[in-house]
Amino acid sequence: QKEVEQDPGPLSVPEGAIVSLNCTYSNSAFQYFMWYRQYSRKGPELLMYTYSSGNKEDGRFTAQVDKSSKYISLFIRDSQPSDSATYLCAMSATRGNTGKLIFGQGTTLQVKP
Amino acid sequence: DAGVIQSPRHEVTEMGQEVTLRCKPISGHDYLFWYRQTMMRGLELLIYFNNNVPIDDSGMPEDRFSAKMPNASFSTLKIQPSEPRDSAVYFCASSRDRETLGLDFGPGTRLLVL
Repeated sequence: QKEVEQDPGPLSVPEGAIVSLNCTYSNSAFQYFMWYRQYSRKGPELLMYTYSSGNKEDGRFTAQVDKSSKYISLFIRDSQPSDSATYLCAMSATRGNTGKLIFGQGTTLQVKP
Repeated sequence: DAGVIQSPRHEVTEMGQEVTLRCKPISGHDYLFWYRQTMMRGLELLIYFNNNVPIDDSGMPEDRFSAKMPNASFSTLKIQPSEPRDSAVYFCASSRDRETLGLDFGPGTRLLVL
């Protein structure tokens, strides 16, 4: 079993829809949770990060962590065609670069105009 | 800042050949990471450096892979001899310091070994 599981999709939604992207994990030591966005043929870029449980909002994006269920989510409101990309969750047991960052497989999202 | 720079962007080679991938991290970043991305395995950490010193190379698949960082502005990942299963996108990423969350990734090198 992989440490981090993420449905690869693809997920196709109409413009303006609310998108929910999810990851599950098995390692209870994970404390730091990140979402990266990767456009086609580009490197991943950090979108949001959260520490431990709870929600974090940034514009149209909301990251949610439920440590009791070992489940994290990224919600995108009023989705736009420019949101079409692959979204990777990533997590670590320690802050910064002293520990390994474990990535999910990525979910490919297409937002149709 | 130009961001993390990788070269070449694309590489096609034949099995058995030596492949060298290059990376220039963002100036002032103390950490440098090499990742490999495939459809099957996703994004995997191969090795990372702190202040030019290799810290964790447990992700390097086998002895055919080697990485060096001779100075703060340059790193190489070498595969010798290359095999078709090495075909992947190789990313270099850098980070400012120990406490920074998140990595700055380069554009990647697409490697195809025939």
